[in-house]
Amino acid sequence: GAGVSQSPRYKVAKRGQDVALRCDPISGHVSLFWYQQALGQGPEFLTYFQNEAQLDKSGLPSDRFFAERPEGSVSTLKIQRTQQEDSAVYLCASSLARASGVYEQYFGPGTRLTVT
Amino acid sequence: EDQVTQSPEALRLQEGESSSLNCSYTVSGLRGLFWYRQDPGKGPEFLFTLYSAGEEKEKERLKATLTKKESFLHITAPKPEDSATYLCAVNSGGSNYKLTFGKGTLLTVNP
Repeated sequence: GAGVSQSPRYKVAKRGQDVALRCDPISGHVSLFWYQQALGQGPEFLTYFQNEAQLDKSGLPSDRFFAERPEGSVSTLKIQRTQQEDSAVYLCASSLARASGVYEQYFGPGTRLTVT
Repeated sequence: EDQVTQSPEALRLQEGESSSLNCSYTVSGLRGLFWYRQDPGKGPEFLFTLYSAGEEKEKERLKATLTKKESFLHITAPKPEDSATYLCAVNSGGSNYKLTFGKGTLLTVNP
């Protein structure tokens, strides 16, 4: 079946521009996650949705980062007034995980953001 | 705070030369330990979940094991197509969803 898809795959933004990154999770997956991966590092947690509810946004680096999932399916990660330190790969993952139990997270290909 | 340390940072093997990758972790209440494979320019690909010490899982040439302090990913008779970065992640404590990743081990298998 179709996996997690993300768009765009690559994004170049000038410092100060706003960007929006899209994630289409695996159909039926209620849980959705965003991670940030710097070069040579492992992914770092940004935020978590269960359906349309954002249950954890503790990993968002600053108030310039905002995520939404209004209908409990597609999610958008928005970064306002981009800075050079925002350059990274942004990964989206989805899972069947619910309130109890631990399930595997399946990742999309990522969006590579470069801020110039 | 959960900590995950992977070693070595990079490993170069000849085709057929078996070896192991290490993932050491410090957590409060392990819920699960995950292994992922990541190819350049792609997202992590799920391999295994281990839940308790003594558990083992196998997939083709890969075998993952878990103790109370670390996990090993054993690679038997590797092939060039096994070349990738292998990431270890843990889920622990009160959160059943947040993964904490190590930095990964870059494996290169030469023909």
